[in-house]
Amino acid sequence: EPEVTQTPSHQVTQMGQEVILRCVPISNHLYFYWYRQILGQKVEFLVSFYNNEISEKSEIFDDQFSVERPDGSNFTLKIRSTKLEDSAMYFCASTPPSREQYFGPGTRLTVT
Amino acid sequence: QKEVEQDPGPLSVPEGAIVSLNCTYSNSAFQYFMWYRQYSRKGPELLMYTYSSGNKEDGRFTAQVDKSSKYISLFIRDSQPSDSATYLCAMSDPSNFGNEKLTFGTGTRLTIIP
Repeated sequence: EPEVTQTPSHQVTQMGQEVILRCVPISNHLYFYWYRQILGQKVEFLVSFYNNEISEKSEIFDDQFSVERPDGSNFTLKIRSTKLEDSAMYFCASTPPSREQYFGPGTRLTVT
Repeated sequence: QKEVEQDPGPLSVPEGAIVSLNCTYSNSAFQYFMWYRQYSRKGPELLMYTYSSGNKEDGRFTAQVDKSSKYISLFIRDSQPSDSATYLCAMSDPSNFGNEKLTFGTGTRLTIIP
């Protein structure tokens, strides 16, 4: 069964460094999302992406964040200058026209 | 008032029992409802998806939606130790098709005792 994949599974970085989190959504899906989950807290929406542009972004998704779908299969989340409070699990999700969302296994980002 | 409220538990029940998990919501624009299962440090796994009031059954799982009361439930029959996980409710407003961000509850941690 097709599934959303994410790499790396765990990324450790120093404060101020740039990180790129990668996702490969399910191939016939059209709508893509990034969420994050700080340890012990609920899953929070970051950004939605459709037709090569951002549909909506949350207050969390400030100028340090960007998303890209560079080659029609990969979907990336970039954090330009990481902060300690960016430490979290980051989940990519994709949606077919039937609207249910499928999540990837996540990337655990640790900022030291 | 939070948009989605979910009892965080923890909830412990003996194997074979019926489990009832619940969420309430305040935003009447929510029309699509999902239940996810999440194991520790893993991604949410979609269990049930529904958009109409009433019951939807899939194997041992039944999702129930009451839009008039803004209340959704997930029932697990014949619970197994492998059902031990955190269960997340999530919902979306379909009015902006293609941008249906999910709003999640806090999750209920469930343990099935053998």
